[in-house]
Amino acid sequence: QKEVEQDPGPLSVPEGAIVSLNCTYSNSAFQYFMWYRQYSRKGPELLMYTYSSGNKEDGRFTAQVDKSSKYISLFIRDSQPSDSATYLCAMSGGSNYKLTFGKGTLLTVNP
Amino acid sequence: ETGVTQTPRHLVMGMTNKKSLKCEQHLGHNAMYWYKQSAKKPLELMFVYNFKEQTENNSVPSRFSPECPNSSHLFLHLHTLQPEDSALYLCASSQRDLRGAHTGELFFGEGSRLTVL
Repeated sequence: QKEVEQDPGPLSVPEGAIVSLNCTYSNSAFQYFMWYRQYSRKGPELLMYTYSSGNKEDGRFTAQVDKSSKYISLFIRDSQPSDSATYLCAMSGGSNYKLTFGKGTLLTVNP
Repeated sequence: ETGVTQTPRHLVMGMTNKKSLKCEQHLGHNAMYWYKQSAKKPLELMFVYNFKEQTENNSVPSRFSPECPNSSHLFLHLHTLQPEDSALYLCASSQRDLRGAHTGELFFGEGSRLTVL
């Protein structure tokens, strides 16, 4: 079983839709959970960061972590064409804090 | 210049060539990283430098040779590469504490797109 599973998509939605992106993981030592956004021909940039279980909201973005199910989600409300990008989940834990990434989900928001 | 800058942005090389990728961070961080990004695969960590010392080498073939002369600069020297080494090579930096721990926030450059013919 891969450490982090993420559906690569592609995912195409109309403008204004609610988008749900998800990752599952197998390593129970993971404590830090991140979502990175990567625009075409750019490097990834940190979008959301959460520690342990719970929700975190930042504008139109909400990150959820369910450690009991080993499942994390990123919700995008009122999606915009400018949200079109690849979204990478990443997580770390343990003594070396090494990040483990998902494959990324390619999202297109159509005007 | 701000953030993390990488040069060149695009590189095409033959299997017998020798070339280098350069990365410079202007964020005052003390850790730098090389990642490989291939289509439909997760980001692969290649090398980690913490306070200029290499702390991690993820079983990377010797045809990739990193160099970190100071905490702001990182190089990846390439020689006798294979076509399967074609990928986007990303440099990143972060701030680590004295134990080597960090929050997980990495600051990436825009990458160097490498094509090996």
